[in-house]
Amino acid sequence: GENVEQHPSTLSVQEGDSAVIKCTYSDSASNYFPWYKQELGKRPQLIIDIRSNVGEKKDQRIAVTLNKTAKHFSLHITETQPEDSAVYFCAARKTSYDKVIFGPGTSLSVIP
Amino acid sequence: DVKVTQSSRYLVKRTGEKVFLECVQDMDHENMFWYRQDPGLGLRLIYFSYDVKMKEKGDIPEGYSVSREKKERFSLILESASTNQTSMYLCASSKRLDRVGEKLFFGSGTQLSVL
Repeated sequence: GENVEQHPSTLSVQEGDSAVIKCTYSDSASNYFPWYKQELGKRPQLIIDIRSNVGEKKDQRIAVTLNKTAKHFSLHITETQPEDSAVYFCAARKTSYDKVIFGPGTSLSVIP
Repeated sequence: DVKVTQSSRYLVKRTGEKVFLECVQDMDHENMFWYRQDPGLGLRLIYFSYDVKMKEKGDIPEGYSVSREKKERFSLILESASTNQTSMYLCASSKRLDRVGEKLFFGSGTQLSVL
């Protein structure tokens, strides 16, 4: 079955710097890759996603890149702000009838 | 706004008890999921369902079962609770609009403690 790995497990950056989180997946049939943000004590929420027919997607300060050949995808956050502090989860899925498998998460701390 | 409601925020049970965790969504979503969240392990899938009365095992189904008798309700059952099932349980749902599917909407979670 699908296995999603995520690095680093913790990340601290200064406010205004960029943050990058990387994920790898094992099943080459996966074609949907969402990213979820979970603030302390709250439920995870989707922040961006990418499908296999696209190599990069951007939404304001966040962007996601996908390399299907290497089976890895990354989240990039620019100009980080304290409110970006949270746990970020990447995930992978094959079809809408399949399970969504998450990585173990990255705890991001943005230091003011 | 989509609402995914989990019946309890905190639950304390004894070892060996049968435990029911209920999840209800109000947006006619086809897909529903149960995850458990443990520090350092992320969100691990227990079971999911893509239609009424359909269920599929996730990565860690042992010790759990599920029931989906109605589209809006997905129940997680711990047949005989054990201490290693102490965890945060998250329910999620999603619409199945296309071949790949849509985003997950999560409930607020149930923190289960098994003593």
